[in-house]
Amino acid sequence: DVQMTQSPSSLSASVGDRVTITCQASRHISNYLNWYQHKPGKAPKLLIYGASNLETGVPSRFSGSGSGRDFTFTISSLQPEDIATYYCQQYDNLPPFTFGPGTRVDIK
Amino acid sequence: EVQLLESGGGLVQPGGSLRLSCAASGFTFSNYAMNWVRQAPGKGLEWVSNIFGTGSHTFYADSVKGRFTISRDNSKNTLYLQMNSLRAEDTAVYYCAKQLVTQGAFDIWGQGTMVTVSS
Repeated sequence: DVQMTQSPSSLSASVGDRVTITCQASRHISNYLNWYQHKPGKAPKLLIYGASNLETGVPSRFSGSGSGRDFTFTISSLQPEDIATYYCQQYDNLPPFTFGPGTRVDIK
Repeated sequence: EVQLLESGGGLVQPGGSLRLSCAASGFTFSNYAMNWVRQAPGKGLEWVSNIFGTGSHTFYADSVKGRFTISRDNSKNTLYLQMNSLRAEDTAVYYCAKQLVTQGAFDIWGQGTMVTVSS
């Protein structure tokens, strides 16, 4: 099964900062990589699918890139409402669908 | 409005059983694969199980294989998770999630239902 690593595990940044999270798969997964935002007590929210496709209704400050094994998620200008934990998730054709361990994002 | 609503969570003793339900509305349920994802207290998201739209294929995480069974009733627009031989480590919020047709991405999630396994 494909394993996912994510870094950093947590970060603290100022409003307006550019935030970058990386995700690495244990083997090549093409662009089969999604990103989710999860706030406490809420349902997770799909932000990016297929490595770089912005889900409908998601602000354009969120973006994703990468293919193969290495992927990047970026918030171009951090906003207070972006405080959450962010997860990558791979879906290499068929299940299992593995989530990364998550990156907690706080405001400095 | 597209919506998923889980129910059936609660407190159960180790070794016990529980069945979760997920009622879907606002979309053609049978056209979409569905999934269960869980989050244990203080932990990250863990994919649990998947079922094709027709119900023809099912998949499980190794941690629940042989103990959990996913199923669906497309006539009732409802997804199920039968959980047997429950362990303390199954304690978590369980979410059902709708999968995109052409991607293994989960675009619609329920609000979650809490399962606590404890004596």
